Amino acid sequence: AQSVTQLDSQVPVFEEAPVELRCNYSSSVSVYLFWYVQYPNQGLQLLLKYLSGSTLVKGINGFEAEFNKSQTSFHLRKPSVHISDTAEYFCALLNAGGTSYGKLTFGQGTILTVHP
Amino acid sequence: EPEVTQTPSHQVTQMGQEVILRCVPISNHLYFYWYRQILGQKVEFLVSFYNNEISEKSEIFDDQFSVERPDGSNFTLKIRSTKLEDSAMYFCASSGTSRNQPQHFGDGTRLSIL
Repeated sequence: AQSVTQLDSQVPVFEEAPVELRCNYSSSVSVYLFWYVQYPNQGLQLLLKYLSGSTLVKGINGFEAEFNKSQTSFHLRKPSVHISDTAEYFCALLNAGGTSYGKLTFGQGTILTVHP
Repeated sequence: EPEVTQTPSHQVTQMGQEVILRCVPISNHLYFYWYRQILGQKVEFLVSFYNNEISEKSEIFDDQFSVERPDGSNFTLKIRSTKLEDSAMYFCASSGTSRNQPQHFGDGTRLSIL
C-alpha cells in the first residue's frame, strides 16, 4: 500500500521569505508525484508534477519541487513567498504501475500562512 | 482554460435521504474520479470511471454509492440513504487520454447531512 506524509500541518512565514513544504512518500512501485494548492472555497489546483526525467520540476507561481528517490521525498519550495500564496498545499502520489486506475493518494495537507 | 464544474456548491440533506452530486468534466477527458474530504481529514479516493464503467473503487465506496455518466457531459455521484458520516466535501476530477495524466479538480460540493 502507498502513503504520503506531509510533515508540517501548518507553516507560518513572512512575506518575501523562502519556504519549504515537506512531503515524504511510501510505495512499493514507481510513482508519479504531484503538488496541489487549495485556496479558500476553491477546488484543488495542480501546482506541479513529476512524471519522469529531471528530478527538479518547476510549476506555476514560482514554485518548484525536487524528487529524491533515495529519500522518498518530494519537497516543495519557493524562494520568496507572497501574501497571495496563503493556501493549503497537498502532496499526492499516483502509482506508475500495477492495477491502480488513477487513484491519487493524498497527504494530510499543509496550511501555508504568509504574514506581511 | 477548460475546467471541471460541480453543482450544487452546497447541499443540505436530511439523514436517510438520497442525494445526487453533479459534475461536468473537461470535455475531451476520458477518466473521471470522485474524492471526498471529511473536515479535518485527508482527501480520500472514492472511485474512478472509464469507458462507462467503474475502474477502481475504495472500501468507502460501498453499495450506498453509485456513479453514472448519463450523457456525454455529466458525471454523477449518488448516495442512497445518507448517513451523518457522509457529511464532507466531495470533489470531482477528470484526466485526459491516460490515467497517468494530472487530474483536474472541480471546486467541490459541500454535503451536510442533518
